[in-house]
Amino acid sequence: NAGVTQTPKFQVLKTGQSMTLQCAQDMNHEYMSWYRQDPGMGLRLIHYSVGAGITDQGEVPNGYNVSRSTTEDFPLRLLSAAPSQTSVYFCASSPSAGLETQYFGPGTRLLVL
Amino acid sequence: SQQGEEDPQALSIQEGENATMNCSYKTSINNLQWYRQNSGRGLVHLILIRSNEREKHSGRLRVTLDTSKKSSSLLITASRAADTASYFCATDTAGNQFYFGTGTSLTVIP
Repeated sequence: NAGVTQTPKFQVLKTGQSMTLQCAQDMNHEYMSWYRQDPGMGLRLIHYSVGAGITDQGEVPNGYNVSRSTTEDFPLRLLSAAPSQTSVYFCASSPSAGLETQYFGPGTRLLVL
Repeated sequence: SQQGEEDPQALSIQEGENATMNCSYKTSINNLQWYRQNSGRGLVHLILIRSNEREKHSGRLRVTLDTSKKSSSLLITASRAADTASYFCATDTAGNQFYFGTGTSLTVIP
């Protein structure tokens, strides 16, 4: 199993551009989530999904959209990138919501100029 | 706002010594987890302790949970240089959302 994969590893955007961060898992996990990690802030939950077709907002959802058309994929879309979205983004999955270990991807480092 | 806060923010010890880091949280939880993050990498799960448990062991790791004080501690015994990493606690409140603390940066000096 590849586990949780993320692409790209690194991306530079200009303010106002849009892009999609890809996340995929091959463990048939129902729960998937996106976090951003900023220095001194720990990880903050952006959006999460408890299953295909179901998504919900986390702690910092503004400026991001998600969809979950399949169990395997959970892309994160930046609609109009802003410098404040410069961060490291992590995708994670777990067998079900709550009371479960989360498995993290390697992260995507995003720089918005 | 952050649910969990780790203390200390940074810790430097000699190889072979024990390392203790603490996590405090704000609201009632279902469970609490500890994760490790090596520089530039994703997080790796270490241990999960449920709200009705008080202590749990896994190899050189010992986790305690005091729900009355809303706090947890992670003890790493006989530390090794390979333990150098950042350590985060994560709490699960409503069952669908995890809240991570700000982390403790541990440096183990060979």
